[in-house]
Amino acid sequence: DGGITQSPKYLFRKEGQNVTLSCEQNLNHDAMYWYRQDPGQGLRLIYYSQIVNDFQKGDIAEGYSVSREKKESFPLTVTSAQKNPTAFYLCASRTGEAYGYTFGSGTRLTVV
Amino acid sequence: AQSVTQLGSHVSVSEGALVLLRCNYSSSVPPYLFWYVQYPNQGLQLLLKYTTGATLVKGINGFEAEFKKSETSFHLTKPSAHMSDAAEYFCAVSARLYGNKLVFGAGTILRVKS
Repeated sequence: DGGITQSPKYLFRKEGQNVTLSCEQNLNHDAMYWYRQDPGQGLRLIYYSQIVNDFQKGDIAEGYSVSREKKESFPLTVTSAQKNPTAFYLCASRTGEAYGYTFGSGTRLTVV
Repeated sequence: AQSVTQLGSHVSVSEGALVLLRCNYSSSVPPYLFWYVQYPNQGLQLLLKYTTGATLVKGINGFEAEFKKSETSFHLTKPSAHMSDAAEYFCAVSARLYGNKLVFGAGTILRVKS
């Protein structure tokens, strides 16, 4: 079945460490997105990519980095510069402008 | 720019009662509108969407929503709530002019009482 796979489901990070969240899709979608979810704040866009080897900052890109070397993959790195990284991270993809996004099942990141 | 306001961070209904979740949007261009549902520790699932055409759209699990341009609203309804409807619901807006990026409301947690 086609879909988006995010891994790991739970991730613990020590302060000062960089961590990378994986997002893989087999839907042949061109556009991919990373959102951060905090209670009561909805979803906020971190980065997005419309095509391979190109990506743009979203509303809260500081402290994060991405790459898009393959159409299927859009990993997110949470760097030590991100002061409050504890959150639920969701990856999504889309094909066609009038279509809704398909979401992965998320990664919950906790700083310990 | 675009924005979404969901009225009521928590809504509680009795099983079998009408569900009404409110969503108002702001957009300087014709919007695409969406409702998503999220169960705890899971991703978001698309319930329904409005793009063009008929303003009353029907989605999965008996939900529907009506696009009212004059009121800039896209409220979600279901005639009879079921216990399995308890979840968090998100309204979202996008438009071609803004790169088709989805902008979400803050979400409404629906509680269904037995």
